[in-house]
Amino acid sequence: GESVGLHLPTLSVQEGDNSIINCAYSNSASDYFIWYKQESGKGPQFIIDIRSNMDKRQGQRVTVLLNKTVKHLSLQIAATQPGDSAVYFCAETDNYGQNFVFGPGTRLSVLP
Amino acid sequence: EAQVTQNPRYLITVTGKKLTVTCSQNMNHEYMSWYRQDPGLGLRQIYYSMNVEVTDKGDVPEGYKVSRKEKRNFPLILESPSPNQTSLYFCASRLGSNEQFFGPGTRLTVL
Repeated sequence: GESVGLHLPTLSVQEGDNSIINCAYSNSASDYFIWYKQESGKGPQFIIDIRSNMDKRQGQRVTVLLNKTVKHLSLQIAATQPGDSAVYFCAETDNYGQNFVFGPGTRLSVLP
Repeated sequence: EAQVTQNPRYLITVTGKKLTVTCSQNMNHEYMSWYRQDPGLGLRQIYYSMNVEVTDKGDVPEGYKVSRKEKRNFPLILESPSPNQTSLYFCASRLGSNEQFFGPGTRLTVL
């Protein structure tokens, strides 16, 4: 499949452990934040989102935390599975949702 | 099946030869967008469109054109491709302020 990033930060976790992927964003006016998962050879896939009026949102096995004070976003994956191995991107946009800015991505490797 | 399709999926061309990458969505989404993805740089937005006949530049629009004559299609046009446009391109669409759906990608090589 295509290489989505040759020099990405990599996080390696044991299967069954929890994963935490971090992202710093730049625009204090950003209002909407999204986490995407990209598997090799595929387009990014939506995981979870959060708006700036919240600081935490939970989905199935995933939690997103937003700290607007330090402009930091994190994605927590509970009980990480081999199928979670992928590159994860955070993205931000303003209230108008026009211009999306993506972070550089983090490669998650799940060890057996 | 709701989806975003792109064609071609792979293309090798030469400098200066005009090309078009098509993008189509069947979800009646108003918003469509083009991105390029390069190693170490992540996804960068090229152009986006909020609705028919409404397009705007993203972060890296130089060397690209787009059109939005109908809601479902948003082609990306490279009038005179150059080697620095060798990249992986993604089209995406969304309804309102909801999540974006991405196409499968187009791998372009300009020799």
